[in-house]
Amino acid sequence: EIVLTQSPGTLSLSPGERATLSCRASQSVISSYLAWYQQKPGQAPRLLIFGASSRATGIPDRFSGRGSGTDFTLTISRLEPEDFVLYYCHQYGSFPNTFGQGTKLE
Amino acid sequence: EVQLVESGGRLVQPGRSLRLSCSSSGFTFTDFAMTWLRQAPGKGLEWVGYIRSNSYGGTAEYAASVQGRFSLSRDDSRSVAYLQLNSLKTEDTAVYYCARGRSSLFYWGQGTLVTVSS
Repeated sequence: EIVLTQSPGTLSLSPGERATLSCRASQSVISSYLAWYQQKPGQAPRLLIFGASSRATGIPDRFSGRGSGTDFTLTISRLEPEDFVLYYCHQYGSFPNTFGQGTKLE
Repeated sequence: EVQLVESGGRLVQPGRSLRLSCSSSGFTFTDFAMTWLRQAPGKGLEWVGYIRSNSYGGTAEYAASVQGRFSLSRDDSRSVAYLQLNSLKTEDTAVYYCARGRSSLFYWGQGTLVTVSS
C-alpha cells in the first residue's frame, strides 16, 4: 500500500498569500496518478487537480499542481477567504487507492 | 446534470449488517465504475473500494480494512450501486460516499452516515 504523507498538517497564512502544500508518497505513484481535493465542512470533497497537474473543470487558475514519482505539490497562488479549508491528496495508480491525512489551511 | 444520492445509513449494533445504496442519474451508469469512500467523524478520507462496469467484468477491489466484510454490487437496470456492510465494527462509523469513476473523482454524493454502536 502506498502511504501518502501530507505536510504541513496545518498551514497558517493570510488572504493574498501563496500556499504550498506537500504530498510525499512511500513509493512512486504510477503515471502521476495523483489528485488533490478540497473539502469544506459538512461537504463532500471537490476535485481540484488530477494527473498531478491538470486542473479539474471549473477550478480557478490560482490552483496548480506539480510533481512526479514520490513528491507532489499543490500551490494556491493568491489565497482567497474561501480557500481556508482542508486539502487531501489521493493516489489512484495502485490498489488500494490511498489518501493523505490532510492539510488544514487556516 | 450528474447526481449521486446515497441512502441507507443509520444507527446499527456491532456485528450487524447494513446495505447502502447510491442512486445515480444524469449519465450512462453502465459506462462507469463506481467508487465508495468513507470518512470517520473528524478524520480523513478512506478509500473503501470500487466496482468496475460490467463491460470490464463488474468485479470489485477492496481496502484491506473491509476485505471479506464489505461487498460491492451494482444494478445497471436501476442505475444503483450498492455497498453491503457485514460484521460491522464500531470503527466502521463514518460518512460513506459514493463517487463516479475509479480514478480521480469529480462527482460525489452528499454521503450517508453509518453509526455502529451498542
